[in-house]
Amino acid sequence: AQTVTQSQPEMSVQEAETVTLSCTYDTSESDYYLFWYKQPPSRQMILVIRQEAYKQQNATENRFSVNFQKAAKSFSLKISDSQLGDAAMYFCAYRSATQGGSEKLVFGKGTKLTVNP
Amino acid sequence: KAGVTQTPRYLIKTRGQQVTLSCSPISGHRSVSWYQQTPGQGLQFLFEYFSETQRNKGNFPGRFSGRQFSNSRSEMNVSTLELGDSALYLCASSRGGHTGELFFGEGSRLTVL
Repeated sequence: AQTVTQSQPEMSVQEAETVTLSCTYDTSESDYYLFWYKQPPSRQMILVIRQEAYKQQNATENRFSVNFQKAAKSFSLKISDSQLGDAAMYFCAYRSATQGGSEKLVFGKGTKLTVNP
Repeated sequence: KAGVTQTPRYLIKTRGQQVTLSCSPISGHRSVSWYQQTPGQGLQFLFEYFSETQRNKGNFPGRFSGRQFSNSRSEMNVSTLELGDSALYLCASSRGGHTGELFFGEGSRLTVL
């Protein structure tokens, strides 16, 4: 079974600074997807960024980028120019690409990000 | 475009009772998944439905069940509630392809006394 580990339960960053959230995963599969989801205090989770394992290029979405190291099974999220609205729980998630079309996600325990003004 | 709607948002039950939670997916989405979120266990996958068929199931006891209707709306039921069932239950919908993006609702907060 796949597992996802987020080793930082809490992180803090100053507004406008850069922060990196860590995520490692364990799988024997070669084809999969990785995600970062954000869950603000209002609780609705939203997708931040997605990475296909077969793509070597790291995904970027505006101020959010990832460092995907497939061999090391590492998938960190970098948030640049942090804003107060970035404060939330961040979840790393794994999805197999070989489970019959199922979109089941395996989540890490999350990292609570605080942004200080 | 309306998002994923979950009802009720909050509910309190006592041990031994049963509960039904509802999820209306985004229009056009055919896949609905359910997750349980607790402080101790985090987010755990319950089950997934696509076109009224259960496509995948997590490692939960048989007290947890679900179904999907022809309009893609989904319900999950928990019978014989236990204290440990207190959690935020999240529903997510998607088109069902390989885009991988799930759209989540705000959840139903269940408290079991």
